[in-house]
Amino acid sequence: DTEVTQTPKHLVMGMTNKKSLKCEQHMGHRAMYWYKQKAKKPPELMFVYSYEKLSINESVPSRFSPECPNSSLLNLHLHALQPEDSALYLCASSPWPMLRNYEQYFGPGTRLTVT
Amino acid sequence: GQQLNQSPQSMFIQEGEDVSMNCTSSSIFNTWLWYKQDPGEGPVLLIALYKAGELTSNGRLTAQFGITRKDSFLNISASIPSDVGIYFCAGHKAGGTSYGKLTFGQGTILTVHP
Repeated sequence: DTEVTQTPKHLVMGMTNKKSLKCEQHMGHRAMYWYKQKAKKPPELMFVYSYEKLSINESVPSRFSPECPNSSLLNLHLHALQPEDSALYLCASSPWPMLRNYEQYFGPGTRLTVT
Repeated sequence: GQQLNQSPQSMFIQEGEDVSMNCTSSSIFNTWLWYKQDPGEGPVLLIALYKAGELTSNGRLTAQFGITRKDSFLNISASIPSDVGIYFCAGHKAGGTSYGKLTFGQGTILTVHP
C-alpha cells in the first residue's frame, strides 16, 4: 500500500481564519514532507520531518506551522494567510531515512483558496 | 531553489505516437524519479532509477539513468489519451546531508490528440 491521505480536499479561508491541513500515511515511513504547488509548476518543499522531528524548514513564513503528532500523522496549521498562499498543498512520505530509498509518495493534496 | 533542466516544456502529439523527455543537471544524482500529475491531484511515482546506466520499464514507459549521473530520460510508447498530464523528473543529490530532499524539473505538459 503506497497511499497517503490528505484532508480536506478543498479549503476556502479568510485571511483572519485559523485552519489545519491533515496528512496520514500507513506505510511505516519515518520521513514526511509538506510541499506547496502553484499551477503547472513543480512542488516547492516547505518542511521535512524525520523521526517526528523537524529536519528542514525552507524559510517558510511563520503563518504556516507544521506539527508531527506521531509517525503516521502530519499537520499544517494555517493562520493569517495571504491571498498569494492560495495553492495546492501536498503531503508526501518516504522510506528514507530508514532505508537509502529516496522515493516520495504524495497524497492527493488540499486545494487552498485564501479570500 | 535549484531546479533540474527538463525539456521539452510542452508537447502536443497524436494518439499512437511515441514521446521522449529528459532532465539534465550540473550536479550528480544518486536517484532519479519520474512522476505524472493529473489536474487537481498529487504526483504519482511512475519509475525510480538507482544506478548509472540503469534502464527500467513500467508498461509503455521506459526510463534511463544517464551514465554521467547528471541526466535521465523518459520515453512513452504508443501514447493514449490518458497519458495527458504533467510529467516531472526529480532527483536526489549524491553526497552531503540531504534529509531526503528532491530536486524537481519544471515539468513537461503532455497533450495527446485522439
